[in-house]
Amino acid sequence: EIVLTQSPATLSLSPGERATLSCRASQSVSSYLAWYQQKPGQAPRLLIYDASNRATGIPARFSGSGSGTDFTLTISSLEPEDFAVYYCQQRLNWPGTFGQGTKVEIK
Amino acid sequence: EVQLVESGGGLVQPGGSLRISCAASGFTFSAYDMHWVRQATGKGLEWVSSIGTAGDTYYPGSVKGRFTISRENAKNSLYLQMNSLRAGDTAVYYCARDAGSSMDWGQGTLVTVSS
Repeated sequence: EIVLTQSPATLSLSPGERATLSCRASQSVSSYLAWYQQKPGQAPRLLIYDASNRATGIPARFSGSGSGTDFTLTISSLEPEDFAVYYCQQRLNWPGTFGQGTKVEIK
Repeated sequence: EVQLVESGGGLVQPGGSLRISCAASGFTFSAYDMHWVRQATGKGLEWVSSIGTAGDTYYPGSVKGRFTISRENAKNSLYLQMNSLRAGDTAVYYCARDAGSSMDWGQGTLVTVSS
């Protein structure tokens, strides 16, 4: 089983700051990695697929990068609505395992 | 527009059974693999079961032998039969469509296992 490790567990930032979230895989997943955002009481929402492609309707301040075992989700300038939990998911091995999540909270 | 609507959640006693459902619309249901993913309060996402287009099924060890996933393509519906429920099964259960590079999600249904 491919294990995804996200860091940090919690990121405390202010609106307007840059957020950098990491996801590391226990073995290569090529570019088969997705990022989701989840707010309290809501289902996960797709942000990025295939490591670097923004999903439909996702603002340009969200970007993904990486391949192999190391991936990054960057939010260039945090908006109030961006404070949430973010999960990565590998899609190399079906059905795809999830990271444990990174919470982005208001400082 | 892809829509996935879960139903059937509720309160069940330990050792009891429950069947939850997912009504799909906006896509050709029979052409997609489908999944159930759960999330306990304050916890992360946990894969529960999957079913392929040919009806092949997959489970993690934590639910194997207790949960059964099934689909009814004529009704565009996905099901999860849960038996021998435990307190640790308490969670929001999400239905998800396998979109290849990602998943599409329903809004979830809450299953609470408690006496």
